[in-house]
This record gives sequence, C-alpha cells and structure tokens, in this order.
Amino acid sequence: GNSVTQMEGPVTLSEEAFLTINCTYTATGYPSLFWYVQYPGEGLQLLLKATKADDKGSNKGFEATYRKETTSFHLEKGSVQVSDSAVYFCALSDQGQNFVFGPGTRLSVLP
Amino acid sequence: GAVVSQHPSRVICKSGTSVKIECRSLDFQATTMFWYRQFPKQSLMLMATSNEGSKATYEQGVEKDKFLINHASLTLSTLTVTSAHPEDSSFYICSTKQGRRDTEAFFGQGTRLTVV
Repeated sequence: GNSVTQMEGPVTLSEEAFLTINCTYTATGYPSLFWYVQYPGEGLQLLLKATKADDKGSNKGFEATYRKETTSFHLEKGSVQVSDSAVYFCALSDQGQNFVFGPGTRLSVLP
Repeated sequence: GAVVSQHPSRVICKSGTSVKIECRSLDFQATTMFWYRQFPKQSLMLMATSNEGSKATYEQGVEKDKFLINHASLTLSTLTVTSAHPEDSSFYICSTKQGRRDTEAFFGQGTRLTVV
C-alpha cells in the first residue's frame, strides 16, 4: 500500500537557519504530493503541492521538488523564522480521494 | 480556497455521554468527507470515509457503533462519539476535497475532545 516516511523530529533551529525536512514515499501509481502545516491547536493548512515528477511546489519561502527517481519530496527553506514553528506533514494522494500522511515533523525555531 | 468549518473546536464531556462533531463544507458540495483522529505528537489516522446519502466506510480497527457518522447532505457530515471514555480523548479533524487526485484536501479546524 501507499506510505509516507518523514524524518523524525523534533527539529530545533535558530532563526535564519536553513531548513530541510526529508520525505520519501511509496506508491503504486503516480501520486500527487503535498506538504501541510499544523500550528498549535489548529487544523492542517496546505503549504505547497506538486502533481507530477520534477514539479516544484513553493509557498512562503518553502520549496519542495517532486523527485520520482528517488521517490522523495523534501521540504526546504533558506531562512526560517520563529513564526515557522509548527508541525509539518508530508502527504500523498493517489488515484482515490484519500490522503496518506507521514508522521509529522515538529519544528521549533528559536529567536 | 474552499472552506471547511468544524464545530465545536473544543469540548469536554463526562464518561458515558455522547458528543457530536459537525463538519460543514461552505464553498462547494462535498460528496465525500474524511474523518481523522490525531493522538498527541502523532500523525493523522483516517477513521472513516463519509459518503453523502450512504453508509460510511470505516478503517480497520475503528468501531462503527462507537463512532457514528452521518452525511445527510452535500454540505454536512457529523461524527458522534457515543458512550465516550477517557481513551477517546483526542483531536478529531474532518476534511474534504473537490474530486481530482491532484487537488488539495481542505481541513476543518479540528475538535479537541476531552473525556473526564
């Protein structure tokens, strides 16, 4: 079946540091890939997405590239801010409507 | 973007009582809604898929008689936790999407249930 694996957290960085959160997936078809962010006590918000190989999703300084050859969708940001502190979920959506989520990575950015 | 409204955001109930959580699609007709449960510091676990006008499809291990799902209209799905126990305390989130596999899912704000 489909699955998503993320690097374990928590990740603690200083403000303006470079961020990478690794995500790899297993899927039988050609899934769409997503990064969602969850702030404390809230639901999930879409951060970015990519629907086919080599697509790059980007939003708010975050980027992720759909790498079919390595089945990866790593999240990066060049300079994190305190306000980026949240839990980040990598997810995929295959032919059906359901989503499969990774375990989430908690990011804490210190001033 | 589409908006999904979930209510209540927080609820505290006594053991043995039932709690209803509502999930409304405000911008489009949602034939399918998904209900997730999230334990502290863990990912979302799909509980069931709610289909308008028909019975919900439950994931393995989820008690359908305990977690009653009703999807009576194209804009409203409800999850009722019956005979709640402290171990049912969790964060419950609904979501829906507009059909194609490449479209994003829209999530409700989540409901923090505490059973005392």
